[in-house]
Amino acid sequence: NAGVTQTPKFQVLKTGQSMTLQCAQDMNHNSMYWYRQDPGMGLRLIYYSASEGTTDKGEVPNGYNVSRLNKREFSLRLESAAPSQTSVYFCASSEIRATNQPQHFGDGTRLSIL
Amino acid sequence: LAKTTQPISMDSYEGQEVNITCSHNNIATNDYITWYQQFPSQGPRFIIQGYKTKVTNEVASLFIPADRKSSTLSLPRVSLSDTAVYYCLVEGGSARQLTFGSGTQLTVLP
Repeated sequence: NAGVTQTPKFQVLKTGQSMTLQCAQDMNHNSMYWYRQDPGMGLRLIYYSASEGTTDKGEVPNGYNVSRLNKREFSLRLESAAPSQTSVYFCASSEIRATNQPQHFGDGTRLSIL
Repeated sequence: LAKTTQPISMDSYEGQEVNITCSHNNIATNDYITWYQQFPSQGPRFIIQGYKTKVTNEVASLFIPADRKSSTLSLPRVSLSDTAVYYCLVEGGSARQLTFGSGTQLTVLP
């Protein structure tokens, strides 16, 4: 039972390069999320998708774009990577977008930007 | 913005009960309180969720007072494998405010 799968697990980029982080869930969930986690800190929401066909900004959306490709997949794109975007990126999903719906997380993508 | 405040770290010994308290003074009326556990190099994992009073499952209990401005996660008889970071999450009425606090690093000692 895979749950939430993120690819790649690790990536090193040079400043200015672009990259897309992939996320897929097999739980038939409607809502999906992208977070970033900096060392010693909690997770901050970048973007979320309440349902297929919709996306909304979270707390820290600048420098990122997202695409909800279908119900299963939600990708995060860095158009021009900056060292400040070095972080661990987590994708999550929930059955619906509601305060009482627990989120299920992938194991993260560790991204370093030189 | 429903900000949460938790102790940065706690130490305990195997077999003891551990209580971690989270303060969320600006919780919204329809907010649930959700606790997650995170091990190194893994994503957070759901532990327990509640709205008011007490909730218990097979791994933890959650105590929420009547004013709902705080909550306490209780882990009975912890083991070394419970060493992790524990986060409480309160959404604050908007998905945009889904921000986890810094969490509590629990270290269980033998």
